[in-house]
Amino acid sequence: SQQGEEDPQALSIQEGENATMNCSYKTSINNLQWYRQNSGRGLVHLILIRSNEREKHSGRLRVTLDTSKKSSSLLITASRAADTASYFCALENTGNTPLVFGKGTRLSVIA
Amino acid sequence: DTEVTQTPKHLVMGMTNKKSLKCEQHMGHRAMYWYKQKAKKPPELMFVYSYEKLSINESVPSRFSPECPNSSLLNLHLHALQPEDSALYLCASSQAQNNEQFFGPGTRLTVL
Repeated sequence: SQQGEEDPQALSIQEGENATMNCSYKTSINNLQWYRQNSGRGLVHLILIRSNEREKHSGRLRVTLDTSKKSSSLLITASRAADTASYFCALENTGNTPLVFGKGTRLSVIA
Repeated sequence: DTEVTQTPKHLVMGMTNKKSLKCEQHMGHRAMYWYKQKAKKPPELMFVYSYEKLSINESVPSRFSPECPNSSLLNLHLHALQPEDSALYLCASSQAQNNEQFFGPGTRLTVL
């Protein structure tokens, strides 16, 4: 099963700035999910976006999906130090295969 | 209760030991998962249980043995592990397979 490719691998920004992470893939998917992981802890589900959806919001988070470009982006607005974490996209590939996590983007928000 | 709990939080074991990791959820989820995660890597799926039956085994060595005693519990039995098996072991659950997953805090395993 394909794995999403996240970009950038690492991102460092100042508090208050916006952070954008991207996830690209190669073949069709059923849905794409974004998760956050604080260092050494469990993952926290952020947003699930289905293949027929283009944009979803949750608080300061905005996720877009462009199936023609086979890419998704996660935007965190007005970032806070507490947003410092690794962010993973996870693909549900077609064929009811299990989720596959990408390598992640490590975000550092500096106060 | 929207929590997945895992015990123990930390485990140190020798290569000849037998130990078990435990996971519990009371959200009525019918899919449960074991993942292995090495430092600075993504979680790697090991096993999936759906409706208490093993539905996916990602070619995991037999020294790892999963068990699902009931719909709320998931165990991972460990025997004759190798030092390279040291990792964070994460349990997760979801309403159904491939819905959003709820993760436990993990067990940090060190094999000496």
